[in-house]
Amino acid sequence: KAGVTQTPRYLIKTRGQQVTLSCSPISGHRSVSWYQQTPGQGLQFLFEYFSETQRNKGNFPGRFSGRQFSNSRSEMNVSTLELGDSALYLCASSLRPRGKPNWAYNEQFFGPGTRLTVL
Amino acid sequence: GQQLNQSPQSMFIQEGEDVSMNCTSSSIFNTWLWYKQDPGEGPVLLIALYKAGELTSNGRLTAQFGITRKDSFLNISASIPSDVGIYFCAGQLDSGGGADGLTFGKGTHLIIQP
Repeated sequence: KAGVTQTPRYLIKTRGQQVTLSCSPISGHRSVSWYQQTPGQGLQFLFEYFSETQRNKGNFPGRFSGRQFSNSRSEMNVSTLELGDSALYLCASSLRPRGKPNWAYNEQFFGPGTRLTVL
Repeated sequence: GQQLNQSPQSMFIQEGEDVSMNCTSSSIFNTWLWYKQDPGEGPVLLIALYKAGELTSNGRLTAQFGITRKDSFLNISASIPSDVGIYFCAGQLDSGGGADGLTFGKGTHLIIQP
């Protein structure tokens, strides 16, 4: 079974630009979460999408947004890029099958990440 | 955002030694997860824990969910060179309305000297 895939793997942008990152979850997984990883702040939760709806959101400004498509693939967008947005952006998918308690199927599997550099 | 207190920050050990690391939190969680991350890659799930007091093994790895639901530890026995990497603990709370995002520790950097 293929793992979580993220594209692109590397990206260089300049301040003020916007960027869109893509994530394809493991086949059959219905939930996609996004995380930002930086040396200073570590791994921080951005948001989660389930059934095409944002179900959870971390403490990030509105410049960070996302969406999920009917095939569970997800994109995240960062507008008006700042130098501090340079980070590894990780996508994780989890199963969340219907009719099962969420806590038992919250194991999140991560993709390789997109390394974003803002100049 | 909230972070877990993970220690130690780094460990320098000899091949064959046992390793122990732990995480503590001021808040309770109902899921604890342990991940390993290699350079240039995303975190890989090692062990998932769902019940307070639960002790789970995965090969040479053993992890426990603390009885207070505010801590967890990971042990690695008889370390080998491929154990090198950064280990992260992560907690998750599901208060009935659906699970929150994972809260991560800052990581334990494991370095093994042959």
